[in-house]
Amino acid sequence: QITLMESGPTLVKPTQTLTLTCTFSGFSLNARGVGVGWVRQPPGKALEWLALIYWNDEKRYSPSLESRLTITKDTSRNQVVLTVTNMDPVDTATYYCAHEPFCIGGSCPLDFWGQGILVTVSS
Amino acid sequence: DIQMTQSPSTLSASVGDRVTITCRASQSISMWLAWYQQKPGRAPKLLIYKASSLESGVPSRFSGSGSGTEFTLTITSLQPDDFATYYCQYYNYNWGVTFGPGTRVDIK
Repeated sequence: QITLMESGPTLVKPTQTLTLTCTFSGFSLNARGVGVGWVRQPPGKALEWLALIYWNDEKRYSPSLESRLTITKDTSRNQVVLTVTNMDPVDTATYYCAHEPFCIGGSCPLDFWGQGILVTVSS
Repeated sequence: DIQMTQSPSTLSASVGDRVTITCRASQSISMWLAWYQQKPGRAPKLLIYKASSLESGVPSRFSGSGSGTEFTLTITSLQPDDFATYYCQYYNYNWGVTFGPGTRVDIK
């Protein structure tokens, strides 16, 4: 059974760096083709993809946020960490991590999601 | 960057109605299109992948079609549990992910 859980601060100040951890179970990030991604959703707004990291340490970032994002993995701890620099009130959102399975012949969507963590940016 | 649009943005329907939501990509994305359902306060749930493949455990009243730049999600007989927001998503190993703006389905 695949589960993911986000953790980190729920309140950060403007200009601070946000560090979120996704702790997962039920799969290995050493397995071929597997990935973990981050998606956020401001209150009442649409989903926004942020970043993905794969089993082979390949990374993908949202072009609009790439300069502020870093995604890393710790396979021994079954964790993926996302950092977002220079936080602003517009970054207030629920942040989700999610699992991408291996699919023969191509890409795969995010199939299992964490419950999300609401991060508020305010002084 | 590939942009995704959805129509309508809001849809009012009754239980038993047939509902169709359209998603368009700014350029061809082949069949790399998924559909998600999201209820308030909950994480998105994967319904359809590769444009028309039904995710395990998803009721058969949900179906997807399309390729290239135009895709549809159809719910053949809307159930009370289906009132939610639906998102399309382009996904590609080489380029990442883009979500559509969402379509809210509410009770008429």
